[in-house]
Amino acid sequence: EAQVTQNPRYLITVTGKKLTVTCSQNMNHEYMSWYRQDPGLGLRQIYYSMNVEVTDKGDVPEGYKVSRKEKRNFPLILESPSPNQTSLYFCASSPTGASGNTIYFGEGSWLTVV
Amino acid sequence: GENVEQHPSTLSVQEGDSAVIKCTYSDSASNYFPWYKQELGKRPQLIIDIRSNVGEKKDQRIAVTLNKTAKHFSLHITETQPEDSAVYFCAASMKGYSTLTFGKGTMLLVSP
Repeated sequence: EAQVTQNPRYLITVTGKKLTVTCSQNMNHEYMSWYRQDPGLGLRQIYYSMNVEVTDKGDVPEGYKVSRKEKRNFPLILESPSPNQTSLYFCASSPTGASGNTIYFGEGSWLTVV
Repeated sequence: GENVEQHPSTLSVQEGDSAVIKCTYSDSASNYFPWYKQELGKRPQLIIDIRSNVGEKKDQRIAVTLNKTAKHFSLHITETQPEDSAVYFCAASMKGYSTLTFGKGTMLLVSP
């Protein structure tokens, strides 16, 4: 089954404790991206990657890191989480970019930073 | 960068009524406009999209219209059903660009 899988789905952590949210897709998509969803703010892009070893900042990259060492994986790293990073995070992928392609979202990861 | 405004933020209708959600975009170079539906607790999923070379597209009970001159596009849902209740997001993107800018969403509630 074609899917985008992210883990963990739910996490409560403490301020400053590094964490990684993993994302994997099995559709051989070149494009992968991370969004955060907050009430009243919609979906905002954090980082995206057009292909292996190619990553770029989205609209809200501060406090996040990503890497794309393999085509199927695109982990999101919070080096020193803060309470304002409490949010619902979605990983997404599409065949060749955001324009003109269906974007497939993962199930989401609820992150709470206390 | 692109800015997408979406209205209304909430919309309540009776089952069987029509619902219209409107979006405006800022960059005249944008040429791809998808709509995503997010049911409660689930991921967003594409329901319909339109490219700038057409003015209207239909798929059963949903349709999208685009006015490039005014830089706005709208989602129309006819004969609404309770299962249409969800948050709907519009978005805009430019050909060859890697970002999709989303509106802030419209919560649609269809009452039986």
